[in-house]
Amino acid sequence: EVQLVESGGGVVQPGGSVRLSCAASGFKFADFTMHWVRQSPGKGLEWIALITWDGKGTFYADSVKGRFTISRDNSQNTLFLRLTRVNSEDTAVYYCVKETTYWFFDYWGQGTLVTVSS
Amino acid sequence: EIVLTQSPVTLSVSPGERATLSCRASQGVDTSLAWFQQKPGQAPRLLIYGATTRATGIPARFTGTGSGTEFTLTISSLQSDDFAVYYCQQYSKWPSRTFGQGTKVEI
Repeated sequence: EVQLVESGGGVVQPGGSVRLSCAASGFKFADFTMHWVRQSPGKGLEWIALITWDGKGTFYADSVKGRFTISRDNSQNTLFLRLTRVNSEDTAVYYCVKETTYWFFDYWGQGTLVTVSS
Repeated sequence: EIVLTQSPVTLSVSPGERATLSCRASQGVDTSLAWFQQKPGQAPRLLIYGATTRATGIPARFTGTGSGTEFTLTISSLQSDDFAVYYCQQYSKWPSRTFGQGTKVEI
């Protein structure tokens, strides 16, 4: 059974940093491109970053480019998202998402909530 | 960037009735379109990929149609479990991934 379990969320001060993790199991993690998608309270889904299977390709939404960094450790089956210089608009549930070989998303984690507040 | 526009924003339907949700793309995405269902407090769940293919375990009452710029998700006979928010997403152009703003299906 595929499982994606995010952690690391919590309250972060404006301008601060936090690192989110996603522990993957039930599939060969190193074979698949992975994504982060976020959802602000009461709002829709926003794709924010992807990383290729080998970690060599990373892409970001304009809203987070230069502030967030996606990475992975294939030896530990873990995906990461480093958030820096956060602001109130970064308050959201952050989902870890698996992509299939045909580019669509098939599995989502349960999400971890990041709240930017002083 | 490819923009997806969903309509209506909210759809009020009675159980047993048909629901028709629309997703329009600002440029052609062939059939690289997926639909997701999200219930309150839960992660989205894949319903349809490739515009028309139901994901594993998705009931036959969910049907996806369309290609290019116009797509439709039809729920043939709404069950109580189907009241949720539905999102379309395109995955046509690497690395672009965009979602529509969602349609809430309510009783």
